[in-house]
Amino acid sequence: GQQVMQIPQYQHVQEGEDFTTYCNSSTTLSNIQWYKQRPGGHPVFLIQLVKSGEVKKQKRLTFQFGEAKKNSSLHITATQTTDVGTYFCAADQAQGAQKLVFGQGTRLTINP
Amino acid sequence: DSGVTQTPKHLITATGQRVTLRCSPRSGDLSVYWYQQSLDQGLQFLIQYYNGEERAKGNILERFSAQQFPDLHSELNLSSLELGDSALYFCASSVQAGEQYFGPGTRLTVT
Repeated sequence: GQQVMQIPQYQHVQEGEDFTTYCNSSTTLSNIQWYKQRPGGHPVFLIQLVKSGEVKKQKRLTFQFGEAKKNSSLHITATQTTDVGTYFCAADQAQGAQKLVFGQGTRLTINP
Repeated sequence: DSGVTQTPKHLITATGQRVTLRCSPRSGDLSVYWYQQSLDQGLQFLIQYYNGEERAKGNILERFSAQQFPDLHSELNLSSLELGDSALYFCASSVQAGEQYFGPGTRLTVT
């Protein structure tokens, strides 16, 4: 089945530094979603990207979908302690139904 | 608060036993999804129901089954439990394909 590779697995930064996580697939994706899971919490939807080359911003977060729709990235500018958590990308595997394949996640920790 | 509720919050049981996890979706959401999250496997999609019917199946073991009732709540039944079934089980709901809202999860510990 479809696999989505996400790197890095862990990232530790100083508060104020930037952070980026990458998601790659060997097959073309119809769309990709990003979720954030705080420690001890549940995944929370951040955004969905559908179009080739799409770039969306949410305050300090920038999401990109590759031109070939095989990769995506999430970039956080000037991290804050509230950004701590695990960031997951999720690819939609099935047409009609929704069968999300999640990447392994990138766990972000921040030194204040 | 996502609007999705799951019970129980924690469950401790022995190997070989059977348990039922319950999920109530957000008001108006017809789709319910079940996921398993363990440390070494990440978030694994198990199964999706839409308005009472099974819509998609993922890596769900034969020992596991689920159903969605007319009031749209869903139950995930896990039987002949093994140590490796210890995990967080999340339920999520959505109106249709797109953004999914996750519940707080049920932490299952099999001893």
